[in-house]
Amino acid sequence: QQQVKQSPQSLIVQKGGISIINCAYENTAFDYFPWYQQFPGKGPALLIAIRPDVSEKKEGRFTISFNKSAKQFSLHIMDSQPGDSATYFCAAGQGTSYGKLTFGQGTILTVHP
Amino acid sequence: EAGVAQSPRYKIIEKRQSVAFWCNPISGHATLYWYQQILGQGPKLLIQFQNNGVVDDSQLPKDRFSAERLKGVDSTLKIQPAKLEDSAVYLCASSFTGSMSYNEQFFGPGTRLTVL
Repeated sequence: QQQVKQSPQSLIVQKGGISIINCAYENTAFDYFPWYQQFPGKGPALLIAIRPDVSEKKEGRFTISFNKSAKQFSLHIMDSQPGDSATYFCAAGQGTSYGKLTFGQGTILTVHP
Repeated sequence: EAGVAQSPRYKIIEKRQSVAFWCNPISGHATLYWYQQILGQGPKLLIQFQNNGVVDDSQLPKDRFSAERLKGVDSTLKIQPAKLEDSAVYLCASSFTGSMSYNEQFFGPGTRLTVL
């Protein structure tokens, strides 16, 4: 019940296209949903995060869509750029656990020029 | 602002040997996390400290892994003895714990461990 399932495992898009990564969770106690971006040889870095009281959050080219009833959330990257090529992780956290996060398996995004 | 520091960056050992990793969190961050990231998987929390107390170590293989955070600042993670399946990147993260339940976790670059 603590799992966060992420898809697809890998994604290839052309420059200027839209990248979409999906995540699903089971534990309804989760109340915080961040997305992390990781470049090779680096630690993950927070990209954008959402709480379940809103259905969408946008920051620049990055948007999180959240569907509480379906227990799903997704990351949309508009106008994808080669510099966006990285591994993306969704995660979920529970407010009663001091910020503990459960991560998805990751999606390797490649943006071709 | 200096980030989370980890050392060493790479370590190669034989199975059954011991190894230790060091982490220095961002100044003022009360919460410190150790994650294990196996190739092709997401980070898995091993242990979480709040100041120098353990908040969660439910996924730490306590028969071989140990961690400490003396004085609530630096932390060390030790594996003794190491197994082949311990080959992974060990990530340290820290966060400032204020009035909110969630604060951004800042990750270090990790230590890549190879067990032969």
